[in-house]
Amino acid sequence: QVQLVQSGAEVKKPGASVKLSCKAAGYTFTSYHIHWVRQAPGHGLEYMGIINPSGGATVYAQKFHGRVTVTRDTSTSTVYMELSSLTSEDTGVYFCTRELGTTLYFDYWGQGTLVTVSS
Amino acid sequence: QSALTQPASVSGSPGQSITISCTGPSGDVGNYNSVSWYQQHPGKAPKLIIYGVSNRPSGVSNRFSGSKSANTASLTISGLQAEDEADYYCCLHMRTITYVFGTGTTVTVL
Repeated sequence: QVQLVQSGAEVKKPGASVKLSCKAAGYTFTSYHIHWVRQAPGHGLEYMGIINPSGGATVYAQKFHGRVTVTRDTSTSTVYMELSSLTSEDTGVYFCTRELGTTLYFDYWGQGTLVTVSS
Repeated sequence: QSALTQPASVSGSPGQSITISCTGPSGDVGNYNSVSWYQQHPGKAPKLIIYGVSNRPSGVSNRFSGSKSANTASLTISGLQAEDEADYYCCLHMRTITYVFGTGTTVTVL
């Protein structure tokens, strides 16, 4: 069955970077785009960006330009999201989710990774 | 982009119907034919319940329905049940290739 399995919780200090992973299983990895969405505690969903695992092309939401880098490893069907220059406002749960590329909706989601930024 | 506007909370009694609206600013460049809706229970990942304005994925109850008019999309939950108590988010594909979510609506079953 389709699964997106994310890496474990992280605790980081302000100014540091964090790199999260999202391992796909149960489908052809290069056939679906992977997106990243985050949720601050008690807040709503916030879109971060997309990677096309087939060629590696990325598009990021303007808010995260210059701070976020999404990459993929096709040999392990894994997508990585690195966020730099962390502040307390980056604390939250980060989700990866997939989308067929032409359907414009997210049908499967990872379980989420909690990132805590604290001095 | 600014988030889409949803009511903060909506409540209803079991068996009733409720509707959640999702509105973008006038003149926005979102593709409202792409509207999708997600249900999120506390501590869980979001779950797709409506895509392409009014389509339900396999396994989603037909008590959930979607519609749109101009720059407003709507989600209706009919025959409200206790298990429907959750947060609901709309999502729109923007011309910039990225996406924007609604502000979220907490549904309470009285």
